[in-house]
Amino acid sequence: QVQLEQSGADVKKPGASVKVSCKASGYTFTRFYVHWVRQAPGQGLEWMGTINPSTSTTTYAQTFRGRVTVTTDTSSSTVYIELSSLRDEDTAVYYCARDAGGYGDRHLDYWGQGTLVTVSS
Amino acid sequence: DIQMTQSPSSLSASVGDRVTITCRASQSISTYLHWYQQKPGKAPKVLIYSASTLQSGVPSRFSGSGSGTDFTLTISSLHPEDFATYYCQQTYLTPRTFGPGTKVDVK
Repeated sequence: QVQLEQSGADVKKPGASVKVSCKASGYTFTRFYVHWVRQAPGQGLEWMGTINPSTSTTTYAQTFRGRVTVTTDTSSSTVYIELSSLRDEDTAVYYCARDAGGYGDRHLDYWGQGTLVTVSS
Repeated sequence: DIQMTQSPSSLSASVGDRVTITCRASQSISTYLHWYQQKPGKAPKVLIYSASTLQSGVPSRFSGSGSGTDFTLTISSLHPEDFATYYCQQTYLTPRTFGPGTKVDVK
């Protein structure tokens, strides 16, 4: 069965960087885009970016451009998101999610369990 | 960016009620519109994709309709497990924006 297993919670100081992992299993890793979505406490869902694991092509939301990097390791079927220059408002649960289609424009059919990143001095 | 709005932002309903949630896009998105349900502390779960297609395993009391800019999610008869927050998302253009959510709680 399809599973996306994310790394554990993390606490960072303002200005630092954080890297969250998302290990995929149960499907052919390179056939499906993976997206990152975050949710601040008590807030809605915010799309951050996506990667095509086959080509490593990425697309990011303008809000995060320059601060976010999404990468893959196809040997371990793992996707990573790194967010730099952290601010208090980056405190959120970060989710990875699989795109159901082949072009990154479909719905998100499988989600990781979420990773809480807390930014605090 | 395409802006997504939802109405209402919250609603109170009883088990057995018919519930309708509306999502509107700031420009036409064809049927690149999907609905998710999220319960506290859990990841979202897709209910309806491409505006009107029921995701496998989702009860048939959920339905979706619409195209272009206006979309609707309907729960024909609310069950206890349906109290949750519902989000729409467009995937017509990047960024793949979500609506602000509609919280359905107990009347």
